[in-house]
Amino acid sequence: LAKTTQPISMDSYEGQEVNITCSHNNIATNDYITWYQQFPSQGPRFIIQGYKTKVTNEVASLFIPADRKSSTLSLPRVSLSDTAVYYCLVGVGTGAGSYQLTFGKGTKLSVIP
Amino acid sequence: EAQVTQNPRYLITVTGKKLTVTCSQNMNHEYMSWYRQDPGLGLRQIYYSMNVEVTDKGDVPEGYKVSRKEKRNFPLILESPSPNQTSLYFCASTPDPPGQGADGELFFGEGSRLTVL
Repeated sequence: LAKTTQPISMDSYEGQEVNITCSHNNIATNDYITWYQQFPSQGPRFIIQGYKTKVTNEVASLFIPADRKSSTLSLPRVSLSDTAVYYCLVGVGTGAGSYQLTFGKGTKLSVIP
Repeated sequence: EAQVTQNPRYLITVTGKKLTVTCSQNMNHEYMSWYRQDPGLGLRQIYYSMNVEVTDKGDVPEGYKVSRKEKRNFPLILESPSPNQTSLYFCASTPDPPGQGADGELFFGEGSRLTVL
């Protein structure tokens, strides 16, 4: 099964760009890469999804190299409200049309004033 | 309002007393799943369902059961709860069955905090 590995925690000052990298060495051809944000006592919230190269939306960018064995979530100019846990998610086909979505342990981002 | 609703939100129970955590979504989503979240372990998938009457084990299915008799409901059943099942539980659904192109966004419920004494 594909497994994701992320740093456990990161600190950043307000206004800086933050890059969080996720490793997914066993990613399959059909798998997409999705990132979620979670605040304490809330369910995770979708941030961005990509398959290859670069994807950008109003809150983040996602960089995926050609081999797709890793991905990097980029948050421009973070603020205190970006303090949260960020999860990288890669789905896994388990055969017979079944597909499992498994989260990793996440990266706790702390934004410092 | 489109949402995933879990009940109860908080529950304290005792070892061995069967309980059910309900999950209902009003978005006609095909894929539904249950996760538990514990400190330092992130979110771990318990069970998932690709569609009605189709359920599969996730990473930590031991001690849990699920059913998917209707598209909108996906209850999580603890037949004989034990203290190691004390956790925060999340139900989630997505409109696009994963593995068939872009994975659909997962919509999460507000969570159910369960304590087993």
